[in-house]
Amino acid sequence: EVQLLESGGGLVQPGGSLRLSCAASGFTFSSYAMSWVRQAPGKGLEWVSAISGSGDTIYYADSVKGRFTISRDNSKNTLYVQMNSLRSEDTAIYHCAKDKNSGSSDAAFDIWGQGTMVTVSS
Amino acid sequence: QSALTQPPSASGSPGQSVTISCTGTSSDVGGYNYVSWYQQHPGKAPKLIIYEVSERPSGVPDRFSGSKSGNTASLTVSGLQAEDEADYYCSSYAGSNTFYVFGTGTKVTVL
Repeated sequence: EVQLLESGGGLVQPGGSLRLSCAASGFTFSSYAMSWVRQAPGKGLEWVSAISGSGDTIYYADSVKGRFTISRDNSKNTLYVQMNSLRSEDTAIYHCAKDKNSGSSDAAFDIWGQGTMVTVSS
Repeated sequence: QSALTQPPSASGSPGQSVTISCTGTSSDVGGYNYVSWYQQHPGKAPKLIIYEVSERPSGVPDRFSGSKSGNTASLTVSGLQAEDEADYYCSSYAGSNTFYVFGTGTKVTVL
């Protein structure tokens, strides 16, 4: 079964750091670009960052550029995001999502994890 | 990186059709045939229901259809069923600078 499982969320103070992980199974992880998408409580979806299958191409939303770092370890089938200088507006459920088609950037995420909650508060 | 514009809500009776719009610009929706739609039930992860403007993933009923004209994409749900009551989001590729952008979301109510 194709599956994504996020972990690492929690409560952190403003200015703090957190590292989220997303364990993938059931597909050839290295063949697919992956993204992080977040959803603040009661709000809509916001794309955060994407990384190519090989890890050599990376994109960020302006709202997290310079503070978040996406990475992947294809030997462990795991996606990461290191979040630094966290702000209250980063409070959200963070989902990892798999591109539907390998090799194309078509905004189609066919597999989503259930998400991990990040709360930034003093 | 402005979100794509969707109406906040839409509704219809069982068996009727509802159409949701998703308005962007020539830099996103209008510039590429890479528009997707997602259905999200409360407390659940989003589910891909349309990709590349009008393609349906396997297992998605043909009651769901997508189209695009200029800078506006649309999702039509025909033969509304109770289980179609959910939030719907569009998304689009937006070029190498912005990359991806989501819509503001539409809550569909089945009356």
